[in-house]
Amino acid sequence: EVQLAESGGGLVQPGRSLRLSCVASGFIFDDYAMHWVRQAPGKGLEWVSTISWNSSYRGYAESVKGRFTISRDNAKNSLYLQMNSLRAEDTAFYYCAREEWGTAYGGYWYFDLWGRGTLVTVSS
Amino acid sequence: SSELTQDPAVSVALGQTVRITCQGDSLRSYYASWYQQKPGQAPVLVISGNNNRPSGIPDRFSGSSSEKTASLTITGAQAEDEADYYCNSRDSSGNHLRVFGTGTKVTVL
Repeated sequence: EVQLAESGGGLVQPGRSLRLSCVASGFIFDDYAMHWVRQAPGKGLEWVSTISWNSSYRGYAESVKGRFTISRDNAKNSLYLQMNSLRAEDTAFYYCAREEWGTAYGGYWYFDLWGRGTLVTVSS
Repeated sequence: SSELTQDPAVSVALGQTVRITCQGDSLRSYYASWYQQKPGQAPVLVISGNNNRPSGIPDRFSGSSSEKTASLTITGAQAEDEADYYCNSRDSSGNHLRVFGTGTKVTVL
């Protein structure tokens, strides 16, 4: 079955660190760029970070730049998000998502597969 | 960075048509994709590119785009279409960043 499964969430104190993982199965992981998306309780979706298939490109939202690091291990079919200096406003469900793209219309990109998410709560 | 603006909420009578819009400068350069999210669930892709539906998405969902506005239309809304809907696009800065719209809550009456 084609799926993504996140893990590593939990309760953490402000200023501490946490590492999220996302394991892919049922498809060739290193064929795809991957993303992290988060959603604070009762709020909308917020794009967090992306990594290219070979890790040559990594991008971050301004809200996490300098604190979060995205990485991947294609041999383990795994995506990671290292979160440092956590703040209360980082409290959210964190989803990993697979990026697909099409060549028509000059190119277009979308998230065609999502995990179920893992909850990160930053609180003292 | 870019911003994508959506109306916070819309309502539609059962069987009628509703259009959800997404506005932002990045949409002049990049197509939006659309996601449906029901309470307690992960988002699900409903439209990508100009008007591409993944398998399993009913044909009552359609997309369109003009200038800096992308639209998602539900023609003949069903009770199960009640959900939050988000648009997404590449950032207009020319890199590979992404941005989500503010989200629209669709209520089917």
